[in-house]
Amino acid sequence: NAGVMQNPRHLVRRRGQEARLRCSPMKGHSHVYWYRQLPEEGLKFMVYLQKENIIDESGMPKERFSAEFPKEGPSILRIQQVVRGDSAAYFCASSPQGGQNTEAFFGQGTRLTVV
Amino acid sequence: QQQVKQSPQSLIVQKGGISIINCAYENTAFDYFPWYQQFPGKGPALLIAIRPDVSEKKEGRFTISFNKSAKQFSLHIMDSQPGDSATYFCAASKRETSGSRLTFGEGTQLTVNP
Repeated sequence: NAGVMQNPRHLVRRRGQEARLRCSPMKGHSHVYWYRQLPEEGLKFMVYLQKENIIDESGMPKERFSAEFPKEGPSILRIQQVVRGDSAAYFCASSPQGGQNTEAFFGQGTRLTVV
Repeated sequence: QQQVKQSPQSLIVQKGGISIINCAYENTAFDYFPWYQQFPGKGPALLIAIRPDVSEKKEGRFTISFNKSAKQFSLHIMDSQPGDSATYFCAASKRETSGSRLTFGEGTQLTVNP
């Protein structure tokens, strides 16, 4: 049973370009969470999605960031017009149900570098 | 109200020693407290977790101690090994939050010297 798969593992973008980060949850998991980890800091919650629905996006920046989890295919975190401050590791986690305090399994992350 | 504060930022322990990492929280609505272990280049992995109805939970060499009145919890690693060298994060979530939205501490980089 493969774990949470994120790709790419490393992504380099020039300022102003778009970054698309993909996350395939564990088999049987229908809930996806995105977290951002800045250098030397802890993980910060960004967004929680179920299939075709955004449940909680309270941690998402108001501009340039969007997320989706379509009926078919991986969850996508999209960052438009990237700036240097977007450089970070972005982690996806998935869980089998949306009940409170259900363990979430993390992927290995996508490390975004904006040059 | 949403913060989880973690200390120390870094910790060096000799092989066989005890590693202790502390966390404090403010929001009394938090009721689930996991600890995650992260190796360089990898994602966080759940190590052990506790709910506030117990004061201690032990799994192998890892123990969580929980003090509800002080709003503090700690991770103890007994007989620390070089393979335990990693970054450790405490986290918390609250029952009324759907799913597994976690609030993380800032992390402790543990080095266990051979």
